[in-house]
Amino acid sequence: EDQVTQSPEALRLQEGESSSLNCSYTVSGLRGLFWYRQDPGKGPEFLFTLYSAGEEKEKERLKATLTKKESFLHITAPKPEDSATYLCAVQAGGNTGKLIFGQGTTLQVKP
Amino acid sequence: KAGVTQTPRYLIKTRGQQVTLSCSPISGHRSVSWYQQTPGQGLQFLFEYFSETQRNKGNFPGRFSGRQFSNSRSEMNVSTLELGDSALYLCASSYSAATNEKLFFGSGTQLSVL
Repeated sequence: EDQVTQSPEALRLQEGESSSLNCSYTVSGLRGLFWYRQDPGKGPEFLFTLYSAGEEKEKERLKATLTKKESFLHITAPKPEDSATYLCAVQAGGNTGKLIFGQGTTLQVKP
Repeated sequence: KAGVTQTPRYLIKTRGQQVTLSCSPISGHRSVSWYQQTPGQGLQFLFEYFSETQRNKGNFPGRFSGRQFSNSRSEMNVSTLELGDSALYLCASSYSAATNEKLFFGSGTQLSVL
């Protein structure tokens, strides 16, 4: 069964304190791994797509990496505005809008 | 370019009633997917429509249904509401939901069943 597990569930950081979020996945025929950010009361907002092991993508203070079994979202010198829930999702098999999401990591960055 | 629009934003219903939620995708997008988000289960896939045809369906009971119109707008319906149906219902659109194509989400409809 296709499955996505994220850890930790919640993370509190001081402003400037770098850390990483983990996303472990089990899927038959990975087509893509996605990272989304979700703010309270809003829908998920796209951050990155990773296609194959070894791939890395960066955007401002965020960097996503992918291995054959997991993905990491590294946050460098975070700011309070980075506080949000970060969701990892995989697309498995075929042209479809079906994504399998993890439970998310809720990040709080204190000034 | 306008984003994905979902209406209404909030809904309060009682057990046994039915409800219809609406989604207008980004202009030009032909794929619309629906997700249910709850604190306990997270985001779960309901179904996907492409060019008015249901292309994929998640593991939800038959009380959950949907449709897509020729202009790509979509509706989902939940009949005989149960307390457990209380959730944020999210709609997402993409051009074709091809491999690795990102989805654009609306802000959702928050449904409360009393």
